Amino acid sequence: QVQLVQSGAEVKKPGASVKVSCKASGYTFTSYGISWVRQAPGQGLEWMGWISAYNGNTNYAQKLQGRVTMTTDTSTSTAYMELRSLRSDDTAVYYCARTNYGSGNRWFDPWGQGTLVTVSS
Amino acid sequence: DIQLTQSPSFLSASVGDRVTITCRASQGISSYLAWYQQKPGKAPKLLIYAASTLQSGVPSRFSGSGSGTEFTLTISSLQPEDFATYYCQQLNSYHALTFGGGTKVEIK
Repeated sequence: QVQLVQSGAEVKKPGASVKVSCKASGYTFTSYGISWVRQAPGQGLEWMGWISAYNGNTNYAQKLQGRVTMTTDTSTSTAYMELRSLRSDDTAVYYCARTNYGSGNRWFDPWGQGTLVTVSS
Repeated sequence: DIQLTQSPSFLSASVGDRVTITCRASQGISSYLAWYQQKPGKAPKLLIYAASTLQSGVPSRFSGSGSGTEFTLTISSLQPEDFATYYCQQLNSYHALTFGGGTKVEIK
């Protein structure tokens, strides 16, 4: 079955960086993109960006431009999200999700199980 | 960016009730809208895409409608496993796939 498995929880100090992985299985990795979404404690969903697993093209949320980098490794069917210069308000659960290509079709299904990133001094 | 406003933000209902959640977009998005269900401590799950297409495996008591700027998610007969938070998401903008603020459905 189609599955996305994310790396484990992280605790980071302010100013540090974090890199979360998302390993895909059960489908042809390059036939879909991967989106990243985060959810702060008790809050709603925030779209962070998207990467094409086919050619590596990316699209990032404006508020994260310059701090976030999304990459893929097609040899291992794994996507990565790196967030730099961490602040306390980056504390959240980070999700990856498989995403169709094509404008209007890019719903998210399935999602990874989530990775808790805690930023604390 | 396109803004999505969900209403209500909180809803108290009983098993068997018909429940309707509204999602309004700040500009027209055709039928490019998805709905998700999230239970506490779990990842969101896709319910509906293209405004009204039920994802495979989702019970038929869920339905979606609308186009342009106003959309609805309806649960025809609320079941105990449906108590969760529901989010809409617009799929129209290439540059930002924004979510609504969420609607929490709780047991009355």
